[in-house]
Amino acid sequence: DAGVIQSPRHEVTEMGQEVTLRCKPISGHDYLFWYRQTMMRGLELLIYFNNNVPIDDSGMPEDRFSAKMPNASFSTLKIQPSEPRDSAVYFCASTHGETQYFGPGTRLTVL
Amino acid sequence: GENVEQHPSTLSVQEGDSAVIKCTYSDSASNYFPWYKQELGKRPQLIIDIRSNVGEKKDQRIAVTLNKTAKHFSLHITETQPEDSAVYFCAASGRDTGRRALTFGSGTRLQVQP
Repeated sequence: DAGVIQSPRHEVTEMGQEVTLRCKPISGHDYLFWYRQTMMRGLELLIYFNNNVPIDDSGMPEDRFSAKMPNASFSTLKIQPSEPRDSAVYFCASTHGETQYFGPGTRLTVL
Repeated sequence: GENVEQHPSTLSVQEGDSAVIKCTYSDSASNYFPWYKQELGKRPQLIIDIRSNVGEKKDQRIAVTLNKTAKHFSLHITETQPEDSAVYFCAASGRDTGRRALTFGSGTRLQVQP
């Protein structure tokens, strides 16, 4: 199995632009999580899905962030408009039980 | 919601010594406690986990202990090696309460001096 796949690995954009991060979970995993990692706030949950349905989005910072999971093998995290404070590493993780497997992350830099 | 506190934030040991990292959690309903290792620029990777029905678990040089009454758990690394140098995160979740997402501690940067 290829593990959790994320794209792009690096994204540099200018303030105000739309950013879309993508994730493909491990096949057969029914839970998908989006986490954000910064030096100031550490690793924090943004949102997670179960069987493609959003379960908890209380970590989504504000309306500029949105996430979708149109099918079991694909999820997107969108930021529109992006701001410099959104600069972070965004991880996607998936699980079928309790052990969460992380993707390689997307390093986002908003100038 | 759950709050996980982790100490120390940095830890420097000599190769061959032991390292101990401690975490406390606030939600008594939490029942799953994994530890992740993150090397610079890499993803967090699970190194060991423990469930609330177990007090201790060991895997070679790594062990985790859990005290449910006190709501704290610890990671023990024996015979440390330079390749153990990384940031370690503890986490907690509560599958039985439907809280599947992990709440992470703030991380411990472990430096093993050769």
